[in-house]
This record gives sequence, C-alpha cells and structure tokens, in this order.
Amino acid sequence: DTGVSQNPRHKITKRGQNVTFRCDPISEHNRLYWYRQTLGQGPEFLTYFQNEAQLEKSRLLSDRFSAERPKGSFSTLEIQRTEQGDSAMYLCASSLGRASYNSPLHFGNGTRLTVT
Amino acid sequence: AQSVAQPEDQVNVAEGNPLTVKCTYSVSGNPYLFWYVQYPNRGLQFLLKYITGDNLVKGSYGFEAEFNKSQTSFHLKKPSALVSDSALYFCAVRDAPYNFNKFYFGSGTKLNVKP
Repeated sequence: DTGVSQNPRHKITKRGQNVTFRCDPISEHNRLYWYRQTLGQGPEFLTYFQNEAQLEKSRLLSDRFSAERPKGSFSTLEIQRTEQGDSAMYLCASSLGRASYNSPLHFGNGTRLTVT
Repeated sequence: AQSVAQPEDQVNVAEGNPLTVKCTYSVSGNPYLFWYVQYPNRGLQFLLKYITGDNLVKGSYGFEAEFNKSQTSFHLKKPSALVSDSALYFCAVRDAPYNFNKFYFGSGTKLNVKP
C-alpha cells in the first residue's frame, strides 16, 4: 500500500489563471473522491468516480471546475479562471467499491491552493 | 438529509487523563460511522469505524468509539491521553442505502493534550 499521492502539495496562482491537480489513488481502489477543505471546516464533497465514470458532482462544483479519471487510474481536477474564493486544501481520497461496503476513505496529503 | 455535528470546536485535556470527542449524526437510513485524525498540512488518517455489531469499536493508537443509536451519537474516547494525540479530529457518516456513495464530515474538533 503506497498510499494516495497528490501533486503538487502547494500551488500559488494569480486570480484568473487555470490550475490542475493530480491524484494517484491506491492501485486496487476503484472509487476516487475529491473533497475541498477550508480553514476550520471539515472536508466538503466535490465529486467521485467509480473507475473512469464520474457518478456524482456536488453543487459546489461550478462550471469552472472539471475532473477526469481516464482509464480509471489517476485523476485530475482542473479549476479554470481561478477566484480568491477557490483558495482551499483540495483532498483526494480513494476506497474499494460497493462490494466492500465498509471500506473507509484513504486520503492523500492534499494540494493547498492559494489564489492571490 | 445527512449531517454530522461536532459540538466542540476544541477539547483540552491533561496528559494521562481520559478524553472524549463528541459526534452526533443525522441520516435517513443506517449509519456507517468513521473517525479520522488530521495533523497539520496533512490529509485525514482513518482511526476506526462502526458498521454493525458491537456498539464499542476499537481502532488505531488506543482510540475507541461508542455507537449509541437512541442518541444518534458516536463519541470518540481514549482512556489515557498522550501529548502526541493533539490534532484535529473529524467524524464522518455514510447513509446506507439512501446516499451511500458520499461521506459526510463534521466540522472537526481540535484536541489539545497538555503535558
């Protein structure tokens, strides 16, 4: 178990720029989740994938946000035309699928985004 | 609707004393409950879970949690706190089967253990 890997760890960008984050889940996990965490809050659900299919998106995920998981392996989260309100920690997590209904989420260390 | 409440933003305890971090939940179906710990600038680490069975579950680092269905609570406990337990703790719930795919998190409780 090499754990969930996220890159980059930190990203500072200017308002209006586009950013992309990458997540590599635990290899045998077919579910992948993206969460956003702001200071003093718990993680908020953004979206999740079952293999390569994006099955649910939160209303928090505006049109400027897009996520992909080609071939059901790694995932990318892109934010276009960043705004200061996008500043947060973006967490990726993976888990086994529904067949392992009691499987917890395994989190990466997150990507901290600062929009100036 | 699904939600998790952690009524205490911060819990202070002396090293060696027992600790409790509170969590209550609201779901439409059956709760699958989890506790996670987060250290600064790190992701969340899984501590323990309750799915079914014995109401007292044991997890990592000597932590345990008690499920109480009538009070819709899942409080995290440890008999003797360590300074190294100081961290941010999150309770989470899955709602089976109605909204099973998502984990809902509380706002977190900061645990301070003083020597």
